[in-house]
Order: sequence, then C-alpha cells, then structure tokens
Amino acid sequence: DGGITQSPKYLFRKEGQNVTLSCEQNLNHDAMYWYRQDPGQGLRLIYYSQIVNDFQKGDIAEGYSVSREKKESFPLTVTSAQKNPTAFYLCASSIPVHSPSFLPNYGYTFGSGTRLTVV
Amino acid sequence: GQSLEQPSEVTAVEGAIVQINCTYQTSGFYGLSWYQQHDGGAPTFLSYNALDGLEETGRFSSFLSRSDSYGYLLLQELQMKDSASYFCAVRGSSGSARQLTFGSGTQLTVLP
Repeated sequence: DGGITQSPKYLFRKEGQNVTLSCEQNLNHDAMYWYRQDPGQGLRLIYYSQIVNDFQKGDIAEGYSVSREKKESFPLTVTSAQKNPTAFYLCASSIPVHSPSFLPNYGYTFGSGTRLTVV
Repeated sequence: GQSLEQPSEVTAVEGAIVQINCTYQTSGFYGLSWYQQHDGGAPTFLSYNALDGLEETGRFSSFLSRSDSYGYLLLQELQMKDSASYFCAVRGSSGSARQLTFGSGTQLTVLP
C-alpha cells in the first residue's frame, strides 16, 4: 500500500543538539511538506518542496533545515538554533500545483507524525 | 497573508447534527478544504469546495460562500468515532501561499 512513513514516532533531544526527522513516501508525489503542530494550534508550514533538489521556506523556517535529494525522501533537521522545538511534526505529500495533472481538490496525504521533546 | 478562524471546541451528542464554521482571509483563493485528525494521528482529507454551495459525502457535507469568505463542515448522525479535531484549510495564489494554510482546528467531542 502507498503511503508516507515518518520515523521515529517519538524523539527526545537534549538542548543544543541537532536531530533529523525522517519522511519517506511511495506515492510517487513530487511535492512534500513539513508542518509543525503545537497544542491548540493549527498546522504551520516549515518547508516545502515541489520537486527534487528544490525546496522553499514556509512560514516558520528559522531553526530548521531540509534536503530533497530523492523524490521519495524529505528529511527535516531541527537545529540547535530552534529555541522551542518541542512539538508534533507532520510530513505530507501531494501532486504539486505546477503539475499538469494537478487539481485543486487533491488533498494532502500525511504521515503519522513525530513527537519531538526537548529534555 | 492568509488567516482562518474556526471555533476551538464543539460538543454534541451521538446521533445529532453539528456544524463547524470557518471564515478565512486569503490573497487569491483556490478552494476551502477540510481535514480530520484524531488525537495524535495523521490528518486525513475530508472534503474540498471551490464553488459556492454544498458538497455532500455520506454523513459529511461541506459548504462554501466565496462572497462571505465563509464555509462550514456539517456532520450528521454523529458517532463516537467522529470525536476528533477538524481543520479548515485554504490555498492562496502565490509563493508559499499556494500551499495549504490551516486553521487552528475545532475539537469535536461527541457524548453518548
């Protein structure tokens, strides 16, 4: 079955450490996204990538970095510069808006998330 | 920029009908979507409206009024499993706004 796999499910980070969250999809989607979710808040866009070897900052990119070397993979690194990293991180994928096959009613497919806690 | 407002909490009893409202502001508009998220889980796509009116999908319906920048999700014959958070989302017309922007979510509690 096609889907998105995020790992690990739970991650603990010491202050000052960088950690990398994994996101892999086998849906053949060109576009991938990282969102952050805090309690009582919606999903806020960190980074997105519409195609391999290209990515763009979202609304809250400071303290995060990404890479997109393969279509299937879009890892997110939470750096020590991110002062409040404790949150639920969600990865998603979709057909990109610039694709000839894109239709606005295509939804995003989300992974099950990684819960990051600073200890 | 883009912003969405929806109530933070709604409570209803099993078998009832509940409406979750969403108002939005966006530069350009490419439709209003709804997602469901059970506690600690992945959001799942429920519905999409690009044109004014009501779209029905089983027990769930979604409505859009573009002139009022307003939409709602209607859940009928509520079941306990409908207890979840519901997010409205819009897509704008340029830059990062072309990606989905989500509201803060409405926590629906269904009581027996």
